[in-house]
Amino acid sequence: AQTVTQSQPEMSVQEAETVTLSCTYDTSENNYYLFWYKQPPSRQMILVIRQEAYKQQNATENRFSVNFQKAAKSFSLKISDSQLGDTAMYFCAFKYGNKLVFGAGTILRVKS
Amino acid sequence: ETGVTQTPRHLVMGMTNKKSLKCEQHLGHNAMYWYKQSAKKPLELMFVYSLEERVENNSVPSRFSPECPNSSHLFLHLHTLQPEDSALYLCASSRTWASGRAEGNEQFFGPGTRLTVL
Repeated sequence: AQTVTQSQPEMSVQEAETVTLSCTYDTSENNYYLFWYKQPPSRQMILVIRQEAYKQQNATENRFSVNFQKAAKSFSLKISDSQLGDTAMYFCAFKYGNKLVFGAGTILRVKS
Repeated sequence: ETGVTQTPRHLVMGMTNKKSLKCEQHLGHNAMYWYKQSAKKPLELMFVYSLEERVENNSVPSRFSPECPNSSHLFLHLHTLQPEDSALYLCASSRTWASGRAEGNEQFFGPGTRLTVL
């Protein structure tokens, strides 16, 4: 069974600084997708970034980038130039077929 | 209209009540999902519908009954719930996946229904 572990329940970062959220997963599959979702206090879950397991190049989306280490089954999210609007719960998720398995989430607070 | 909508946004019900949650997507997707989000627990996938057919049922108690009358609408019928069923119920939609392959189709989430069972 696939599992996703986010070992940091809460994190804080100063505005304009960089923060990295950790995620590890366990699977025996070789072809899969990994996602980071963001859930602001308003509760609408939105996709932040996506990584295909067969791609070695790390995905980047503006201020958001990932460090994907397939052998280590690690998928961390780096947020550069943190903004107050980045305050949210961040979920790492693993997808194979029709199942999306989520980690427990990391609450990120950006302080001014 | 935003992509995925859910009604009601908040619901309080007694254990003997019958109620329904509604989800509607305006994205042209043909797969829809119900998730349960409880405090301090990962999101739990409950049901998956693809092309209006249920393809996944993750050992959900029968007091939760999904219905997908068409590709744009998804319901979750509730009856004789327990207090531990209190949670945020999230609906999501996506394009379908290709059979036998992992597909990176993004799931778009609704705002959720906050359910409290007394």
